[in-house]
Amino acid sequence: DTEVTQTPKHLVMGMTNKKSLKCEQHMGHRAMYWYKQKAKKPPELMFVYSYEKLSINESVPSRFSPECPNSSLLNLHLHALQPEDSALYLCASSQDWAFFGQGTRLTVV
Amino acid sequence: AQSVTQLDSQVPVFEEAPVELRCNYSSSVSVYLFWYVQYPNQGLQLLLKYLSGSTLVKGINGFEAEFNKSQTSFHLRKPSVHISDTAEYFCAVSRGSQGNLIFGKGTKLSVKP
Repeated sequence: DTEVTQTPKHLVMGMTNKKSLKCEQHMGHRAMYWYKQKAKKPPELMFVYSYEKLSINESVPSRFSPECPNSSLLNLHLHALQPEDSALYLCASSQDWAFFGQGTRLTVV
Repeated sequence: AQSVTQLDSQVPVFEEAPVELRCNYSSSVSVYLFWYVQYPNQGLQLLLKYLSGSTLVKGINGFEAEFNKSQTSFHLRKPSVHISDTAEYFCAVSRGSQGNLIFGKGTKLSVKP
């Protein structure tokens, strides 16, 4: 299995909602990542987990809360988001190179 | 600090013509370099990578790139493009782990019949 699976593929949420994005990989990779990609822009790193511990937080607002319950799963909990947080959220895992999921297209209304 | 510059934001080309997408990087340490492709409404797919060894790297879909340390470049080439190559192409350099990436701004390759 050489895939990174992200669910849901699309998500529309209001500014007062709480939702979660899920990412799963079964390649045995011990590093996992969240990236944010705005329209017509490159992906930007948000968080890095290494061996299930948060190792990098790129000054992301606290309304984004990552969680790594085990070596195969990565979640991104969302609360009180703003319309400008609308973007494609990409999960990746890596060993020699990064494998990316198909992303979750998030729209905040 | 590391950075990546993709010199062309858009490259239009006719089908079966050759193409080169340019990428320059800046780094004070040894680098790992990557090219990723993104089709509309999809995630990123690795085209090829330079980790070490031969400076000419071959990837999927007939693409290749050459690592040039003296010119700090990692240009992507394909001798004959297809309509299906129309996509956004990102050059990236790793910071520490190979998944911790800094991306260039991307080059949109448009292949016309």
